[in-house]
Amino acid sequence: EDQVTQSPEALRLQEGESSSLNCSYTVSGLRGLFWYRQDPGKGPEFLFTLYSAGEEKEKERLKATLTKKESFLHITAPKPEDSATYLCAVNSNSGYALNFGKGTSLLVTP
Amino acid sequence: DVKVTQSSRYLVKRTGEKVFLECVQDMDHENMFWYRQDPGLGLRLIYFSYDVKMKEKGDIPEGYSVSREKKERFSLILESASTNQTSMYLCASSYGTRTDTQYFGPGTRLTVL
Repeated sequence: EDQVTQSPEALRLQEGESSSLNCSYTVSGLRGLFWYRQDPGKGPEFLFTLYSAGEEKEKERLKATLTKKESFLHITAPKPEDSATYLCAVNSNSGYALNFGKGTSLLVTP
Repeated sequence: DVKVTQSSRYLVKRTGEKVFLECVQDMDHENMFWYRQDPGLGLRLIYFSYDVKMKEKGDIPEGYSVSREKKERFSLILESASTNQTSMYLCASSYGTRTDTQYFGPGTRLTVL
């Protein structure tokens, strides 16, 4: 059975303090790994898709990387507006559905 | 931009009522999904559809049914709402293959009293 584990559950950073969120996965044939951002009371907003180990993608202060067992979401010099829950999800040979981790709740204070 | 809309942001229903949640996407996507999101449990797939009138059960289909009569519209039906169906319901759509990105709607917060 596919498993996705995100750590830490919660993270508090000072503005400008860079850090990384982790997503480790166990799947039967990874077809894609997805990162989403979710603000309270809203639907997840797509950030990145990674398909193979070694792949990296960047968007503003965010950079996502992928290995054969885990993915990292690096946040460089975060701002308070980066505060949100970040969700990791995988798609595998099991089918169409995404298997989500429980998320990391990020709070960036001024 | 992909746009997925859901019929209501907030909904309050009584136990035993039949509830319809509707989702519409405007990008001609083949696949549509219904998830529910609960604290501590994350997002769980209820049903999905990979074509008009085609549907497949997800991880937690009990107590739910779905309808997809047109490509752009996917409805989730709670035949007889119960309090344990109080949750955030999220609709998503994706283009065609299994690996295509799923885009989510804003969600419907359903409370069953």
